[in-house]
Amino acid sequence: QSVLTQPPSASGTPGQKILISCSGRDSDIGSNAVNWYQQVPGTAPKLLIYNDDERPSGVPDRFSASKSGTSASLAISGLQPEDEADYYCSTWDDSVSDSYVVFGGGTRVTVL
Amino acid sequence: QVRLLESGPGLVKPSETLSLTCTVSGASVTDGDYFWAWIRQSPGKGPEWIAIVYRDGGTYYNPSLKSRATMSIDTSKNEFSLKLRSVTATDTAVYYCARQAGRFSGAGLDPWGPGTPVSVSS
Repeated sequence: QSVLTQPPSASGTPGQKILISCSGRDSDIGSNAVNWYQQVPGTAPKLLIYNDDERPSGVPDRFSASKSGTSASLAISGLQPEDEADYYCSTWDDSVSDSYVVFGGGTRVTVL
Repeated sequence: QVRLLESGPGLVKPSETLSLTCTVSGASVTDGDYFWAWIRQSPGKGPEWIAIVYRDGGTYYNPSLKSRATMSIDTSKNEFSLKLRSVTATDTAVYYCARQAGRFSGAGLDPWGPGTPVSVSS
């Protein structure tokens, strides 16, 4: 069972906007920046969002993210067929003396 | 361009030690702005962060794996490694190495290697 909670699936038609939620606790999302990763099946995860809401160079601006309290969300606006992938949220967990990185269980996005 | 490439045995017997190496190109493992990480992903599950190592050999581990895992770094070869002892079938996964921009940094893991599959079976 993952520390961060995500819905297992989300879907939309091309051009639509979808939201993916990520729920955590005071000791993880509530205290640390959130990252989002995109993983096309059969490939390695790719950093999509860092520092809660910043996009690395090359990531389309249809991807955006936000955080409030112990929850975070990823939005995909103008959904494209190539956005079909698994999406994972991640952050640091300070609940133990040696902090470590935790991930959500992932959300499979399907473009209908 | 920074590239990481994992290498490992592919198949390990239960109770044995898994040894993996990550070779870095396009960057130096002595760059003080970064840690170097191992992450694994079991079939159908989210990634699991295993540990990170710094250029001075300092390490930090996932508490659930700390008793069995050991990371090291070889600056002369520009690579870092992971040893996981007493493996069982639950250690079957794709193992990835990645660069991590600092402990507690919000900059995330980037880039990742392509991953190497490891199966634990007799």
